[in-house]
Amino acid sequence: ETGVTQSPTHLIKTRGQQVTLRCSSQSGHNTVSWYQQALGQGPQFIFQYYREEENGRGNFPPRFSGLQFPNYSSELNVNALELDDSALYLCASSVQQRPEAFFGQGTRLTVV
Amino acid sequence: DQQVKQNSPSLSVQEGRISILNCDYTNSMFDYFLWYKKYPAEGPTFLISISSIKDKNEDGRFTVFLNKSAKHLSLHIVPSQPGDSAVYFCAAILMNRDDKIIFGKGTRLHILP
Repeated sequence: ETGVTQSPTHLIKTRGQQVTLRCSSQSGHNTVSWYQQALGQGPQFIFQYYREEENGRGNFPPRFSGLQFPNYSSELNVNALELDDSALYLCASSVQQRPEAFFGQGTRLTVV
Repeated sequence: DQQVKQNSPSLSVQEGRISILNCDYTNSMFDYFLWYKKYPAEGPTFLISISSIKDKNEDGRFTVFLNKSAKHLSLHIVPSQPGDSAVYFCAAILMNRDDKIIFGKGTRLHILP
């Protein structure tokens, strides 16, 4: 059984650029969520995808968008990057109606 | 407005003793509470959960206690081991909506030799 994997592990982007982060869900999981973790904070919910549709969204602007594919893998896209977008981005997969979510190792994004 | 609060940023415990990590919450509608452990440069690892209708759940060295009237939960680790040194996040979830997990800011646990 493979766990949640994310790519890339580290990324440096310039303010105003766009970025795409990728995630492969754990085998058997049909739901994927994305979280942003700033330094010294707990992870903050960005959005969740279930059956390829957005199933809920946290307090993040529309320039944060996502996709879920038929194989349950997912992408997080961020447009018009700002310095405050620098953070660890975590993908988590789960099964609908189960509370436990399992996280990947994260992508460390630095915006300069 | 923080719905899940971990008021101790750090905690040091002697190896072999009990570690107790505390967490408070404000929303009485939460369905489940979870604890995650995080090492540097890794994602959070799920440890244990408890349903809001229970008051205790145990898994090996880890026990979580829930006091709904006080809106308080705690994670007990017995006995503490060096590999337990990590950041521990308390989290809560409302099921049947977007299932988003709401995390506290974390408590860094240091296990002393």
